[in-house]
Amino acid sequence: ETGVTQTPRHLVMGMTNKKSLKCEQHLGHNAMYWYKQSAKKPLELMFVYNFKEQTENNSVPSRFSPECPNSSHLFLHLHTLQPEDSALYLCASSQPNNGGSYNSPLHFGNGTRLTVT
Amino acid sequence: AQKVTQAQTEISVVEKEDVTLDCVYETRDTTYYLFWYKQPPSGELVFLIRRNSFDEQNEISGRYSWNFQKSTSSFNFTITASQVVDSAVYFCALSEGNSGYSTLTFGKGTMLLVSP
Repeated sequence: ETGVTQTPRHLVMGMTNKKSLKCEQHLGHNAMYWYKQSAKKPLELMFVYNFKEQTENNSVPSRFSPECPNSSHLFLHLHTLQPEDSALYLCASSQPNNGGSYNSPLHFGNGTRLTVT
Repeated sequence: AQKVTQAQTEISVVEKEDVTLDCVYETRDTTYYLFWYKQPPSGELVFLIRRNSFDEQNEISGRYSWNFQKSTSSFNFTITASQVVDSAVYFCALSEGNSGYSTLTFGKGTMLLVSP
């Protein structure tokens, strides 16, 4: 299995539920990302982990809680979400940049389509 | 602050037509990188190309070509002889090259519909 794999592909949850999204990459990358894609809005960066350390939190509400146990796995724990959180959540990974002279492209998974009812 | 504008929300063409997707960016950095991604209905964003700000050479890859012009802050994407399989949402993105990882700022995307 290669690339970036996200599970589940689809998730429907109530506002009081707790669920987790999982992402796994088999590319040997050290940086992992969560992006949110809502209808008619640009992709929004949520979190970045570089070598397992969180380096970016883009003012994301605390009802979204990321976890990166190792460089290959990334989770997004969800609790007490709102209907406006319904979106496609995309995970990505990349190699570290090389002294600024090479900006690595992100490799994305297929995403988890989340619906909050 | 960096910004990417894709003014075309949706483009419809007939197979074999050429089509150009526009991308205009804003950045204060002198070192930056531009990307194009394709998102088919399956949802996965597929990386197409990366250009750095030092290299304005245009690039051609099969039916795809890219025109990078710093003077107009544009990085346009042309598909020659379009095919139905080209139907997808195309995203232009910008990254400023001063960190150990890539944080991309995306445009809103252009949906391309190619009909037979």
